[in-house]
Amino acid sequence: DSGVTQTPKHLITATGQRVTLRCSPRSGDLSVYWYQQSLDQGLQFLIQYYNGEERAKGNILERFSAQQFPDLHSELNLSSLELGDSALYFCASSVDDSHYGYTFGSGTRLTVV
Amino acid sequence: GQNIDQPTEMTATEGAIVQINCTYQTSGFNGLFWYQQHAGEAPTFLSYNVLDGLEEKGRFSSFLSRSKGYSYLLLKELQMKDSASYLCAVRFYNTDKLIFGTGTRLQVFP
Repeated sequence: DSGVTQTPKHLITATGQRVTLRCSPRSGDLSVYWYQQSLDQGLQFLIQYYNGEERAKGNILERFSAQQFPDLHSELNLSSLELGDSALYFCASSVDDSHYGYTFGSGTRLTVV
Repeated sequence: GQNIDQPTEMTATEGAIVQINCTYQTSGFNGLFWYQQHAGEAPTFLSYNVLDGLEEKGRFSSFLSRSKGYSYLLLKELQMKDSASYLCAVRFYNTDKLIFGTGTRLQVFP
């Protein structure tokens, strides 16, 4: 157990629907990052939150949004889902400038049918 | 841009040594990480380099040359369980986000 908790582990939904992925960071970590990993693709950075505020944005679609709550857990909202959104979505957390980089959660596998 | 390049696939034999290379754009460099990722699982931290030279950790070593924008991960005494993807990731100044390469899929054969 890495200490980063993601739920649900698997999600199957239809095109056009909306889903919410949840992440609880490791205790003491203030930063949360969301990454998308499609089949045979690298980890694509979506967005970072630090202590409740958005800090960096990557290639995140307008249909996607995220937030970090006062208890530091984060949610990634994906709407108007398309087949191409099927992927593994990882959440990671870190302390600033860590020599260990990130600690990753086990991911949510999203399948859009 | 912040392109990070590594080979797509490599194969090796059990007990052998393999070197996985990674090149990156040097501007704003502030640390390089190697992660291991088994299929469908979370990436796990292997090593960190921020200064030039070799960092050794058991069977795994990682090397960095900042002037050349180059790193490699060296895996010795390969075991079947080392079959996985190996991800090179770079952190740049003014951000603590990591930019990942597409990963190198290593297959170890008996």
